[in-house]
Amino acid sequence: GAGVSQSPSNKVTEKGKDVELRCDPISGHTALYWYRQSLGQGLEFLIYFQGNSAPDKSGLPSDRFSAERTGGSVSTLTIQRTQQEDSAVYLCASSLEALQPQHFGDGTRLSIL
Amino acid sequence: AQRVTQPEKLLSVFKGAPVELKCNYSYSGSPELFWYVQYSRQRLQLLLRHISRESIKGFTADLNKGETSFHLKKPFAQEEDSAMYYCALRGAKDGNEKLTFGTGTRLTIIP
Repeated sequence: GAGVSQSPSNKVTEKGKDVELRCDPISGHTALYWYRQSLGQGLEFLIYFQGNSAPDKSGLPSDRFSAERTGGSVSTLTIQRTQQEDSAVYLCASSLEALQPQHFGDGTRLSIL
Repeated sequence: AQRVTQPEKLLSVFKGAPVELKCNYSYSGSPELFWYVQYSRQRLQLLLRHISRESIKGFTADLNKGETSFHLKKPFAQEEDSAMYYCALRGAKDGNEKLTFGTGTRLTIIP
């Protein structure tokens, strides 16, 4: 596709449920990033994948959060046992290589009831 | 630690007037600074980066290391400039590719 694609665009779930968010980066982009934007906050870095290197997980807020990137392309962010404070817009970005400009998707708006 | 501060949550400017969106940063090494913009119902997109030293849509931003600032400026505001603007920093010192964002400024251009 022409840009970074994220699905679903909106997700409403009950507290305690697990959720999976998907990101399709731009074809050929080796770097992939996940960010979170809570209400009234700036974008907060979560995790970064670059090629076959070990991901930088330094931004994940708790062990309930995990992400994987299969085949160097599609990435899935998983949140287990969701809490209300997990409600946010989750943004994915990709770049051709590390240190190149990041291109963002439309995000997934996650609401925890 | 790296930090980006955008002191203004909201900024309203009349069409044709100059615009300045403030951004200050904290970083011990040599940072790379960016401005991202999000127009209504569109995705976040890169507006400009300091190393390019270019003008995009009439906007410019100069990195001032002495004042640790990267303010975004435009001499004559246009209605289509209304959007959410985010300043972001990437620390080059440790090869850290992640971006640290400010909380954003919502710019409204008054016709």
